[in-house]
This record gives sequence, structure tokens and C-alpha cells, in this order.
Amino acid sequence: DLVMTQSPLSLSVTPGEPASISCRSSQSLLHNNGYNYLDWYLQKPGQSPQLLIYMGSNRASGVPDRFSGSGSGTDFTLKITRVEAEDVGIYYCMQALHTPRSFGPGTTVDIK
Amino acid sequence: QVQLQESGPGLVKPSGTLSLTCAISGDSINSTNWWSWVRQSPGKGLEWIGQINRGGSTIYNPSLRSRVTISIDKSKNHFSLELTSVTAADTAVYYCARLSGGYYYWFDPWGQGTLVTVSS
Repeated sequence: DLVMTQSPLSLSVTPGEPASISCRSSQSLLHNNGYNYLDWYLQKPGQSPQLLIYMGSNRASGVPDRFSGSGSGTDFTLKITRVEAEDVGIYYCMQALHTPRSFGPGTTVDIK
Repeated sequence: QVQLQESGPGLVKPSGTLSLTCAISGDSINSTNWWSWVRQSPGKGLEWIGQINRGGSTIYNPSLRSRVTISIDKSKNHFSLELTSVTAADTAVYYCARLSGGYYYWFDPWGQGTLVTVSS
């Protein structure tokens, strides 16, 4: 079965500092059409997950430009250029190329 | 603004059937999107259960396929989840979500979620 991993599993960041989360898949997420079937979601405390990034690098509507996604194939990265207090929560990557869709274990981000 | 709202019993007995409904507002279940269920339990994290489209075509997680049925009701603009033969392992927060996109589909938005506990 396909396995999604994330690192680190927890991250404590000073406001205004950058943060980076890695997501790796045991199988390539690059479709023949040239797109990576990889999304990033943020679950803020007490809330349901919300879409941040789709197709590996496209910000969802309303997502601040301090968030960016990159990578291809099996290795992906979510970067926050300057972390703000509202960015705390659990970040999940999810692959949509292989059935069943599957999520990474999540990375908990909190503020120092 | 699209909103999804889950509803259903919060407590189900072991070996019973879990039944939830997701009411859609701000979009039509007859659109080209898919509609999905995802659950979240402490032990297994986020788990995709399955999805359905306007034509009633379904795709299920193989690990749950024998116990899951997802259906749509166009007249009520909602879709439903049934999970049979439940055990304590099915205790989770259940989310409904719209799958929208182009080349493929991503979850956006999600409902607020509903906690279902399996216990006698």
C-alpha cells in the first residue's frame, strides 16, 4: 500500500520566522498529464480541515501568499515564509493519484 | 458560499449501522463535483471513506467497501453514508466534503464534522 510520511511531526516556530514541512510518498504522485496529485490541508484547533494547496503548488482561494507548495514525484514541501499566530494547527498532505486517497500523519505547528 | 452540514446519531451500538446525512447549501448535488466522506480517529488519523457523483457512481476505500454505502438524494440536495457492522474501531469524527477540481478533485470545503461513538 502507498504510504505518506511527513517530517517533522511537530514544529514550534517564532512568529515572523519561516517554517517548512516535508511530505513524501512511497509511490510517485506525478500523473501522465504532468500534474502532481498532492494537496495540503490545515486543520486549525477545533475546526475541520481546510484546503491550502492543490496540485502540489496551487494556493486555494483565500490562502495567503506566505504559503507555498513545491515538489514533484515523491517529495513535496510546504513552506510558510513568515509564520503568524493564526497558522497554528495540524498540516496534512494528501495524495489523490492512487486509490484509496491517503493522508500523511500530520505535522503539528505551534507558536513559541 | 458552499456549506456542508453533517447530521445523524452520535451513538451507535456495536454490530449496528452508522447512518449520517450531509446537507449541501450553496451548491447543487447535481453539479459536476463529487461528494465524499472522510473520518478522523485518534488511532488512524484522516481516512477517506468514499465518494459519489451526481449520477450515483461511487468509489469506496477498499478497506471499508464491504460495509459502506454512499447514496444521494437529489430532491433534498443531500448525500448519505451507511456503515454496517460497526465496532469500536469505527468511533471517529465523520466529515462530509465536496470534491471539486479539474484534472483531479480535492476536498473543498469540509463540513464541521460529527462525532460518532460506537458503544453499548
